[in-house]
Amino acid sequence: GEDVEQSLFLSVREGDSSVINCTYTDSSSTYLYWYKQEPGAGLQLLTYIFSNMDMKQDQRLTVLLNKKDKHLSLRIADTQTGDSAIYFCAETPRDSSYKLIFGSGTRLLVRP
Amino acid sequence: DGGITQSPKYLFRKEGQNVTLSCEQNLNHDAMYWYRQDPGQGLRLIYYSQIVNDFQKGDIAEGYSVSREKKESFPLTVTSAQKNPTAFYLCASRTGRMAGNQPQHFGDGTRLSIL
Repeated sequence: GEDVEQSLFLSVREGDSSVINCTYTDSSSTYLYWYKQEPGAGLQLLTYIFSNMDMKQDQRLTVLLNKKDKHLSLRIADTQTGDSAIYFCAETPRDSSYKLIFGSGTRLLVRP
Repeated sequence: DGGITQSPKYLFRKEGQNVTLSCEQNLNHDAMYWYRQDPGQGLRLIYYSQIVNDFQKGDIAEGYSVSREKKESFPLTVTSAQKNPTAFYLCASRTGRMAGNQPQHFGDGTRLSIL
C-alpha cells in the first residue's frame, strides 16, 4: 500500500542547515512535494520534484530524491527562526493522480 | 488575489448538532478536497470532488457529507454521526488538467471543537 513516513521532530541552531527526511513505499510515485505549515494555518507548497529527477534547488531549499531507496530529503540552508514550522512530505501515486499521500509531518524548531 | 477561503476560522458544535464548514476558491480549479488533521498526524482525506455535481468518499468519510453545486464552492457538513469531530479541517483545490504537475493549494483551515 501507499505509506509516507517522517521523523517527528528536528531541532537546529539558527544559521545551521536543516535536513528533513522522508521515506515512501510507492515506487510508482510521479511527483513528491514538500509543504510547510505554520501554527494555526493551512499548508503552503514549498517545492516539488518529479520522479525522474535526483535533485532540485530553489534558493535556500534543496530537494534530494533517491528512487532506489525511496528516500526524499529537504535541506534548508542558513535556517532562520521563521523556518520553525511543521514540514510535510507528500507523494502523488501514478495510478491515483488526484490524490496526495501525506507523511505525519516533521516539527522543525530553530533555536536562536 | 486568487486563493481559497475557509470560514469560519473557529467553530463550536453542540451535542447532536450538524455544522457546515465553508470552502470557496477563485482559482478556477476543477478539483476540491477536504482533509482532517489531528495533532501529531498527517492529513486524512474525507471527501473529494473532481468536477461539479460529482464527489467521492475519501479514507474517513463516515459522519461527513459534502455537496458540489458550484465549481467554486465545496461545503463540508459534520453530522451528529461523527462522534469525534474535534480537529483542524483543511480544504484544498487543484486544476483538473491531467498532464504535468498540479499541486494542491490549501486554505487556512477551520478549527472545530465540541462544546
